Amino acid sequence: AQRVTQPEKLLSVFKGAPVELKCNYSYSGSPELFWYVQYSRQRLQLLLRHISRESIKGFTADLNKGETSFHLKKPFAQEEDSAMYYCALNPGANNLFFGTGTRLTVIP
Amino acid sequence: EADIYQTPRYLVIGTGKKITLECSQTMGHDKMYWYQQDPGMELHLIHYSYGVNSTEKGDLSSESTVSRIRTEHFPLTLESARPSQTSQYLCASSEPGPHEKLFFGSGTQLSVL
Repeated sequence: AQRVTQPEKLLSVFKGAPVELKCNYSYSGSPELFWYVQYSRQRLQLLLRHISRESIKGFTADLNKGETSFHLKKPFAQEEDSAMYYCALNPGANNLFFGTGTRLTVIP
Repeated sequence: EADIYQTPRYLVIGTGKKITLECSQTMGHDKMYWYQQDPGMELHLIHYSYGVNSTEKGDLSSESTVSRIRTEHFPLTLESARPSQTSQYLCASSEPGPHEKLFFGSGTQLSVL
């Protein structure tokens, strides 16, 4: 069965420090993976998707099929990065499977 | 402005009441979804629709129903609300194509007493 695991519910880093939000998935096929973000008092929105191989707001995520991971990384955290981050998996059906989310706090 | 709207934002009702959570989008999307999220938990898909007159149940069993009579409107109805249905309900729509991006509404926080 498809599953997305985000092992950290809470993550705090200092401004300027590197940040990595972990995401592991279980899926037997070729996954489509996404990171969604929810800033305070804003809606859940797409941050990036692995198919695009893009960097958004300084964040990148690399799909590692061997480790079944899709960790989100940023070399230098900013205060405005504080938010709730959700990893999501699309197994090709009409559903996105979301992880439980990680709340990132960037300490000034 | 193209957007997706949910009303109400907050709702407190008594057990057994019938309620409808509204969701409308002006983005011209065919696909629409309802997700349920309990605090600290995953979002779970409870209903989705490919277009007018199309509705399907998601992976989480839910004692709720939906309808899709118009492309832009996808209401969720609880015929007889129960305390176990206290949750946040998120409506979303998506672009066409295989790598679809979901656009979410602001959500409805429902409390059933």
